[in-house]
Amino acid sequence: SQQGEEDPQALSIQEGENATMNCSYKTSINNLQWYRQNSGRGLVHLILIRSNEREKHSGRLRVTLDTSKKSSSLLITASRAADTASYFCATTTNSGYALNFGKGTSLLVTP
Amino acid sequence: DAGVIQSPRHEVTEMGQEVTLRCKPISGHDYLFWYRQTMMRGLELLIYFNNNVPIDDSGMPEDRFSAKMPNASFSTLKIQPSEPRDSAVYFCASSLQGPGETQYFGPGTRLLVL
Repeated sequence: SQQGEEDPQALSIQEGENATMNCSYKTSINNLQWYRQNSGRGLVHLILIRSNEREKHSGRLRVTLDTSKKSSSLLITASRAADTASYFCATTTNSGYALNFGKGTSLLVTP
Repeated sequence: DAGVIQSPRHEVTEMGQEVTLRCKPISGHDYLFWYRQTMMRGLELLIYFNNNVPIDDSGMPEDRFSAKMPNASFSTLKIQPSEPRDSAVYFCASSLQGPGETQYFGPGTRLLVL
């Protein structure tokens, strides 16, 4: 069953702009992860944030987690054409079950 | 490390044929996962193994699907007989720390059943 749900489904921006994607989930989580998938490729792990963390940074990526709202956001700053990909959030519940993925946000960054 | 290796990368077969997908996880990773990705259903977990033992196969769609992990460096996902609705991209992933931690995905096998 799918736990996370990304919003928007699709996002188109120009190079240099910031891109924000959101993820909502239904039940309490142990951690939340963001993955990127380039067309025709496997998923690549970007960042993991645990339930007791509120914000995490990795290079141009910033992830926030609001457990009271059961939501997370992924911010990509100063986007590049190479950031064009689908982005997925995945959650793990407190029972330690395997990842539950959303359907993803498709990001298009145009030069 | 070469990462997770999957073969074949593409498979076209006719309905009723047996299909075998293969995966080599990253050395030292004790967890191995099989996923299926379609436009309609997104990414679905089919089964995962810990130390070569199947832990949860509740995502396996039906008895036509079976998975094995005979040793720490090899796993197979078999579909017999295959049906057109099995057409999808099948991913294998491995993890060092557990099912809820970072997973490393292979490039996937794109399966088309005619």
